[in-house]
Amino acid sequence: EAGVAQSPRYKIIEKRQSVAFWCNPISGHATLYWYQQILGQGPKLLIQFQNNGVVDDSQLPKDRFSAERLKGVDSTLKIQPAKLEDSAVYLCASSPMGETQYFGPGTRLLVL
Amino acid sequence: GIQVEQSPPDLILQEGANSTLRCNFSDSVNNLQWFHQNPWGQLINLFYIPSGTKQNGRLSATTVATERYSLLYISSSQTTDSGVYFCAVESFGNEKLTFGTGTRLTIIP
Repeated sequence: EAGVAQSPRYKIIEKRQSVAFWCNPISGHATLYWYQQILGQGPKLLIQFQNNGVVDDSQLPKDRFSAERLKGVDSTLKIQPAKLEDSAVYLCASSPMGETQYFGPGTRLLVL
Repeated sequence: GIQVEQSPPDLILQEGANSTLRCNFSDSVNNLQWFHQNPWGQLINLFYIPSGTKQNGRLSATTVATERYSLLYISSSQTTDSGVYFCAVESFGNEKLTFGTGTRLTIIP
């Protein structure tokens, strides 16, 4: 069974630029999550989708972050404009109806 | 929100040693997972264990839900066990995993 796929794996941008990350969950998993992991900390949930609807986006900085999951399968997370403090690893995870979460390899973002 | 504390924050052991990692949480949970984040950053699911005991090879975990803690045991440590171990919990009525700050395990050959 293929795991959660993410791209790109690494991204370096300058502050105020835009960036987008892509995630393809495990086939059949209804729930998709985006996490932000700052160096030395545990992952923090940004947004949770159930199929193509948003379940929780309470910790998503909506003035600069947006996410969508069209057709209830893959998802994109966008940051516009980026700030220095957005430097982190962005992790995508999926699960079958709220059970065990399976994580992708992450996208490492460095904002200069 | 629910608080998750892990101890110890850092652990350095010789290859072959055994270790116990602890996770304390502040409220009742309906989901508890242990993850291993390897040096390349990949989070690997070890156990889904909201209560009871499970074993998988050299690893085992026990969650005592009534006392709000979970333990992860690693026996006969190998260098590939190095990395950060996270406990993450989900409280009732809140479908959101809250992660602890992790235990960084270093196994020396």
